[in-house]
Amino acid sequence: DAEITQSPRHKITETGRQVTLACHQTWNHNNMFWYRQDLGHGLRLIHYSYGVQDTNKGEVSDGYSVSRSNTEDLPLTLESAASSQTSVYFCASMSTNTGELFFGEGSRLTVL
Amino acid sequence: SQQGEEDPQALSIQEGENATMNCSYKTSINNLQWYRQNSGRGLVHLILIRSNEREKHSGRLRVTLDTSKKSSSLLITASRAADTASYFCATDPTDSWGKFQFGAGTQVVVTP
Repeated sequence: DAEITQSPRHKITETGRQVTLACHQTWNHNNMFWYRQDLGHGLRLIHYSYGVQDTNKGEVSDGYSVSRSNTEDLPLTLESAASSQTSVYFCASMSTNTGELFFGEGSRLTVL
Repeated sequence: SQQGEEDPQALSIQEGENATMNCSYKTSINNLQWYRQNSGRGLVHLILIRSNEREKHSGRLRVTLDTSKKSSSLLITASRAADTASYFCATDPTDSWGKFQFGAGTQVVVTP
């Protein structure tokens, strides 16, 4: 069965370190998204991609970057982790046929 | 900014009762979707309603959409303990296709 996986599921890091969260989907979807989820804010869009070599900023993109070298992967990089980036991060891909989002299980990041 | 706002923030009911939650949004949309999130898990798609539809059913779920009021409701009939979860509405804005906007969610607890 097709799926979307995130790794690591849990990570603790220190302020100033670079962190990369991986996202891999086997749905063959062109559209992929990264969200962060914080209490009281729902999900906020960080970056998104409509296909290979395409990346776009979302509403909370400062301090984050993504790259899209193939259809399956959209890694999210925190260039210099800050305590404000402690959150749960969700990757999703979208079916252009149905408009439905498929989510990974999330990556819980703690920045100390 | 959040496009969708759910109401109520929390809902506690007993098994067998119906649960109703509402979502309001601000701009024109292509579609509105509802997702469920169990504690510590990713979001799972429940139902999608397009902007030209007024009501949709899926099993025990009933969704309505009033584009004139920019609002939607999700009704879960004959609730079960397994329905305990957070429920989110997500809107797909017409001016930024695929950039879903999520609300903060409604936390539903169903007690046996």
